Amino acid sequence: DTEVTQTPKHLVMGMTNKKSLKCEQHMGHRAMYWYKQKAKKPPELMFVYSYEKLSINESVPSRFSPECPNSSLLNLHLHALQPEDSALYLCASSQPGTGTKNEKLFFGSGTQLSVL
Amino acid sequence: SQKIEQNSEALNIQEGKTATLTCNYTNYSPAYLQWYRQDPGRGPVFLLLIRENEKEKRKERLKVTFDTTLKQSLFHITASQPADSATYLCALHTSYGKLTFGQGTILTVHP
Repeated sequence: DTEVTQTPKHLVMGMTNKKSLKCEQHMGHRAMYWYKQKAKKPPELMFVYSYEKLSINESVPSRFSPECPNSSLLNLHLHALQPEDSALYLCASSQPGTGTKNEKLFFGSGTQLSVL
Repeated sequence: SQKIEQNSEALNIQEGKTATLTCNYTNYSPAYLQWYRQDPGRGPVFLLLIRENEKEKRKERLKVTFDTTLKQSLFHITASQPADSATYLCALHTSYGKLTFGQGTILTVHP
């Protein structure tokens, strides 16, 4: 299994809602990532988990809360988002997960989020 | 400041021709550089990785070069096909654990 699976594929939420994005991989990768991508822009890193520990937080607002329950799962909890947070949210994983500079990332298809 | 720049926002070519995409970087000394393909509404897909001591790497119709003196990588698709139409992103680790992408080049191959 060489897939990273993200659910849901599409999400519409109001600014007062609480929702969660989910990501799963069964490749045995020990690093997992959240990226945010606006239209016609490159993916921008939000968070990195290495061996289930948060290793990088790119100064992301606290209305985004990541969680890594185990080595296969990654969640992104959303609360009180703003319309400007509307974007494609991408999950990725890599091996061996030590942040070495030759690690290639495997991406899911993303969750297209719209905040109304 | 540190930058990763892909010079062309869009590139249009005829089927069968060679597409050449450019990635330049400043204020980095990467040991590796990666190229990804992204289709609309999908996540990027890894294509190739090249090391600083490799001048060229090939995979089927794809070729990547890496010139650390010029701080530039070139990505070539030979005998291009309409199915090669996509956004191509170069990427490198700008710090420990952080893979940073260039802004991408939208390639369109016309039949």
